[in-house]
Amino acid sequence: AQKITQTQPGMFVQEKEAVTLDCTYDTSDPSYGLFWYKQPSSGEMIFLIYQGSYDQQNATEGRYSLNFQKARKSANLVISASQLGDSAMYFCAMRESYGGATNKLIFGTGTLLAVQP
Amino acid sequence: ETGVTQSPTHLIKTRGQQVTLRCSSQSGHNTVSWYQQALGQGPQFIFQYYREEENGRGNFPPRFSGLQFPNYSSELNVNALELDDSALYLCASSYPTAGGNGYTFGSGTRLTVV
Repeated sequence: AQKITQTQPGMFVQEKEAVTLDCTYDTSDPSYGLFWYKQPSSGEMIFLIYQGSYDQQNATEGRYSLNFQKARKSANLVISASQLGDSAMYFCAMRESYGGATNKLIFGTGTLLAVQP
Repeated sequence: ETGVTQSPTHLIKTRGQQVTLRCSSQSGHNTVSWYQQALGQGPQFIFQYYREEENGRGNFPPRFSGLQFPNYSSELNVNALELDDSALYLCASSYPTAGGNGYTFGSGTRLTVV
């Protein structure tokens, strides 16, 4: 069965330091996409970064980078130079290719990140 | 371009009642997906609508139903509400094959069933 596992319920990081949020996934589909979203207390899902299963390079978006290790089925999010505004819940998610018809996202249980001044 | 708007933002219902949640679609998107997020959990896929037809469904009972309209907006209907239906309901609009930042989520509707 397809599954996303986030083993860190909560993380603390000092402002301006880097932090890594862990994500492992399980799928038998050779074509898939991996996403990271930030969810503040307001509830909306804010897209951070995406990695396709066939992408050769690790994805980067500003202060966010995705450490994609396909053989280990891991897709960890690295946030550099943490800011107080980064405090939020972070979700890893996977989209599978059902012949292109379904955009179902499978989410992990999330990691609550607290940035300390 | 407009984002995704969900309404209402909050509501309280009594067990056994019915509820309708609404979601606009971002301009240009023709697919809408609905998710249920219980407190402390990740979102769970309910179903997806593409061109006004349901074309994917998660592990939810038939009392969860939906509609998509010609302008690609959507409704989620839940009949015979149960206490466990209390959750944040998120919708996301997209193209049929979405990657990257191709999904746009609304801010959600917080449903409380008492």
